[in-house]
Amino acid sequence: DQQVKQNSPSLSVQEGRISILNCDYTNSMFDYFLWYKKYPAEGPTFLISISSIKDKNEDGRFTVFLNKSAKHLSLHIVPSQPGDSAVYFCAASGNQFYFGTGTSLTVIP
Amino acid sequence: KAGVTQTPRYLIKTRGQQVTLSCSPISGHRSVSWYQQTPGQGLQFLFEYFSETQRNKGNFPGRFSGRQFSNSRSEMNVSTLELGDSALYLCASSLGSPIQSSYNEQFFGPGTRLTVL
Repeated sequence: DQQVKQNSPSLSVQEGRISILNCDYTNSMFDYFLWYKKYPAEGPTFLISISSIKDKNEDGRFTVFLNKSAKHLSLHIVPSQPGDSAVYFCAASGNQFYFGTGTSLTVIP
Repeated sequence: KAGVTQTPRYLIKTRGQQVTLSCSPISGHRSVSWYQQTPGQGLQFLFEYFSETQRNKGNFPGRFSGRQFSNSRSEMNVSTLELGDSALYLCASSLGSPIQSSYNEQFFGPGTRLTVL
């Protein structure tokens, strides 16, 4: 039972353009949401989070948007850089942590 | 400051055996969570320990168990291994329980790659 879903396994974007990664969830009781970034052979690292009572949170080039009515979360990276190439996981906190299956982002120089 | 360490990094076992994985959290962190990562399922929460007590548990069978020691180091044990247990096992540490507060950021280790033959 996948409560958090990332339907795009991969995404390619030109350097300097916007990357938009999407995530859908089913449980309206989640307290907050997070995005993690993972490089090969390393554990995920925290990127940005958003409380369920907010609809936007920004940190430098990274912005997370939350649409509660659609149960949809998105991460915007502007401008995209080659070093952003990694697997991105969205996650939700409820009675436990629920992670999506990840989206592999490739930023083309 | 040293990060989260996991040992061993790679492990090969056969069906029916048992395995113990170890996680040393960042100094001062009292919460340790364990996750299983497989290609089709992403990261799935196994359990969380805080101050030697299991605080939260995911939807895994009783073959998966864990414990935490007084120095916050944690071990995870899987008994009667099955082929489907092949996965990357990640642990993450945080100052307090990440489920209770978004301020308790989780720091992940590099994982232990378990292969069951």
